[in-house]
Amino acid sequence: QSLLTQSPSISAAPGQKVTISCSGTSSNIGNNFVSWYQHLPGKVPKLLIYDNDKRPSGIPDRFSGSKSGSSASLDITGLQTADEAVYYCGTWDTSLTPAFIFGGGTHLTVL
Amino acid sequence: QVQLVESGGGVVQPGKSLTLSCVGSGFSFKTYAIHWVRQAPGKGLEWVAFISFDGGRSYYKDSMEGRFTTSRDNSRNTVSLHLTSLRSEDTGRYYCVKDGFSYGWGYLDHWGQGTVVSVS
Repeated sequence: QSLLTQSPSISAAPGQKVTISCSGTSSNIGNNFVSWYQHLPGKVPKLLIYDNDKRPSGIPDRFSGSKSGSSASLDITGLQTADEAVYYCGTWDTSLTPAFIFGGGTHLTVL
Repeated sequence: QVQLVESGGGVVQPGKSLTLSCVGSGFSFKTYAIHWVRQAPGKGLEWVAFISFDGGRSYYKDSMEGRFTTSRDNSRNTVSLHLTSLRSEDTGRYYCVKDGFSYGWGYLDHWGQGTVVSVS
């Protein structure tokens, strides 16, 4: 069981907006930056968001991240069928020995 | 462009050992930390280990501490992950991943294609 909690699945229609949530604690999200990863079927995971709300070059502005307290969110607007993937949040947990942790992943279906 | 190429995966019996390697190119290898992340069949991403840019610090997921060891040779742009006392639950694809924060630790910005380990 992950220290970061994500809903297992979410679905929406093309063109709609979805919000994927990630809940943690003060030892992880509350005191560290959050990053988000997109894992398309059969592909290598890709960094979508880092430092809570920054996009690497090449990531469209349809993807945006935010953090409040010990929770973080990934918003995807203008959904496309190509966005169907599993989305993971990630951050460092510094309660004991530092460790990077992932959420359990949210499978996005674009109907 | 940044490239990370893993090798060393294969089929291994329970209790045996295996060493995975990762060669990086297209970036200043000696200034970035490297992570190992795995994905078991049908499961999510699981962080395995971290080694700092100079090899001076390494961190492991609790359940792997003592069984897995990571090291690096910056003269050869190579990071290794030595897996011992392998169990069936260690089966999966192992990714070598570059950290995005120079001289520090932060997020995972470039991923290799992965190498598959099968313990049976």
